[in-house]
Amino acid sequence: EIVLTQSPGTLSLSPGERATLSCRASQSVSNNYLAWYQQKPGQAPRLVIYGASSRATGIPERFSGGGSGTDFTLSINRLEPEDCAVYYCQQYGSSRRTFGPGTKVDIK
Amino acid sequence: EVQLVESGGGVVRPGGSLRLSCAASGFTFDDHGMSWVRQVPGKGLEWVSGINWNGVSTGYADSVKGRFTISRDNAKNSLSLQMNSLRAEDTALYHCAREVSTGWAYYSDHWGQGTLVTVSS
Repeated sequence: EIVLTQSPGTLSLSPGERATLSCRASQSVSNNYLAWYQQKPGQAPRLVIYGASSRATGIPERFSGGGSGTDFTLSINRLEPEDCAVYYCQQYGSSRRTFGPGTKVDIK
Repeated sequence: EVQLVESGGGVVRPGGSLRLSCAASGFTFDDHGMSWVRQVPGKGLEWVSGINWNGVSTGYADSVKGRFTISRDNAKNSLSLQMNSLRAEDTALYHCAREVSTGWAYYSDHWGQGTLVTVSS
């Protein structure tokens, strides 16, 4: 099973700043099949990025994904208050899909 | 608009059974694989089970294999999860999710709000 580690656990930034979230896999993610999800309190997760770098429908261009192999990042430019959420990475390149523990993004 | 509405959650004793359902609308149901993902309140996400578009191929997390069975009824646009031999650690919010195929791999692009399962004596 591929174990995903996310860092930092919590990120506290001001509006307009850039957030960089990290997701590290215990082994290489096949075909860079890595997704990022945003979850706000009381809501279902929302797909943000798939295939490591493709933005999902309706996601602002401020969100971008990158990385390959075992190291991936989610960047959020010009943070807005609505970006306050927990962000999870997930690998779907193996039959046992796994999620990371999440990074909480707080807006000061 | 894609809508996924789960039902069937509740309180059940350890060793008991429960059947979850997910009603899908707003898209062509049999064009997509589907899955169940659970979340302990306040905690992270765990993929539970997935099924391909015609129900022929299924997959399970090790934690539920042999106890849970996923199925679908394309005529009714419905997804189900039969959960047997329930344990306290199965307590969670169960989300139904629509899958997008990238060939042999699937990711979830729409999720329902979930139905809460509590296993307690």
